[in-house]
Amino acid sequence: DIQMTQSPSSLSASVGDRVTITCRASQGIGNYLAWFQQAPGKAPRSLIYAASSLHSGVPSKFSGSGSGTDFTLTISSLQPEDFATYYCQQYDTYPLTFGGGTKVEIK
Amino acid sequence: QVQLQESGPGLVKPSETLSLTCTVSGGSISNYYWTWIRQPPGKRLEWIGYIYYSGATNYNPSLESRVSLSVDTSKNQVSLKLSSVTAADTAVYYCARARLLFDAFDIWGQGTMVTVSS
Repeated sequence: DIQMTQSPSSLSASVGDRVTITCRASQGIGNYLAWFQQAPGKAPRSLIYAASSLHSGVPSKFSGSGSGTDFTLTISSLQPEDFATYYCQQYDTYPLTFGGGTKVEIK
Repeated sequence: QVQLQESGPGLVKPSETLSLTCTVSGGSISNYYWTWIRQPPGKRLEWIGYIYYSGATNYNPSLESRVSLSVDTSKNQVSLKLSSVTAADTAVYYCARARLLFDAFDIWGQGTMVTVSS
């Protein structure tokens, strides 16, 4: 199975901060990489597909980059509603696998 | 807008079968892949398997001997059965939708917590 490693596992940031989360795949996955957000008690919300494309309705403060094995998710200006846990997921190979998550907390 | 809602018993006894349903509202079940994913407390997300609206399936090898997915297009529902459950199957179970076989999920359900305990 492809292992997905996210870093950091958690971070503290302030409203307005720029935040970057990284995700590394154990083997090349092209751009078959998705990011999603999970807030407590809410359904996961898909943010990015194909490493850098925004799902419909997702604000442009979210951006993704990378290909092959190394990927990043950047939130350009944190707002209160962005404090949540973020996950990466590869869909290049079955079984699909997920990163361990990055919890973004308020400083 | 399309919404997914998981439902089923929140408590299942060890060795019994866990049964969950994902109901799709606001859209059709046709022409999509429907996936089940779970997250045990404190652990990472695990892909369980998918079913295409036509009935084709693919399961995680780690669960393949115990899992079964089915689809009811008349009810716009996808169902999961996991047999011979143990405490290790305690998790939040999610359903999610994808358009293609190798595609990101665009919509998720809120998830339902299932505890395996006597």
